[in-house]
Amino acid sequence: ETGVTQTPRHLVMGMTNKKSLKCEQHLGHNAMYWYKQSAKKPLELMFVYNFKEQTENNSVPSRFSPECPNSSHLFLHLHTLQPEDSALYLCASSQDRVPPLHFGNGTRLTVT
Amino acid sequence: GEDVEQSLFLSVREGDSSVINCTYTDSSSTYLYWYKQEPGAGLQLLTYIFSNMDMKQDQRLTVLLNKKDKHLSLRIADTQTGDSAIYFCAEIKEANNLFFGTGTRLTVIP
Repeated sequence: ETGVTQTPRHLVMGMTNKKSLKCEQHLGHNAMYWYKQSAKKPLELMFVYNFKEQTENNSVPSRFSPECPNSSHLFLHLHTLQPEDSALYLCASSQDRVPPLHFGNGTRLTVT
Repeated sequence: GEDVEQSLFLSVREGDSSVINCTYTDSSSTYLYWYKQEPGAGLQLLTYIFSNMDMKQDQRLTVLLNKKDKHLSLRIADTQTGDSAIYFCAEIKEANNLFFGTGTRLTVIP
């Protein structure tokens, strides 16, 4: 596999569920990102990891919990979400925290 | 403003030129980027321009940069139906992070 892979592609969850989104990059990069894409709004940068260390947390609610066990893998753990959290969640990677970023195809999340 | 701004929609006829506009916020952004998102996919880097350039041309794509007005545009010549997608402009700011606009949905009419 090449590039940035995200699983699952689609996820439907209730407000009381716990689920996780997974991202894996095969580009040898050392920085990884989570973005949220909602209709008619700018992409929102959520979290940034550099060499497995979190360097950015842009005021994201604690119901979103990121995890970066190594430079190739990134998770987003979800619990007690709200319907307004329904969106496309995009993972990206880069080398040395320098753009450009390379994106995965995203996970379409629906919270019911 | 605080956000990168783009129009939400643009429709053009096949064969015409498309011009997608963007206003960014940080004059110190060293590079500015255009990304393309096709249906069901993530964002794909289309092109970029260094901030000390006014123009960059790459085949059918022309990027124009007006630093004084913080205005970036992407021109697609001879637009094809395969160009239908959402186009995002992005700037670098705040510790080397990429900040994006809302995206402009380009619809090409056959």
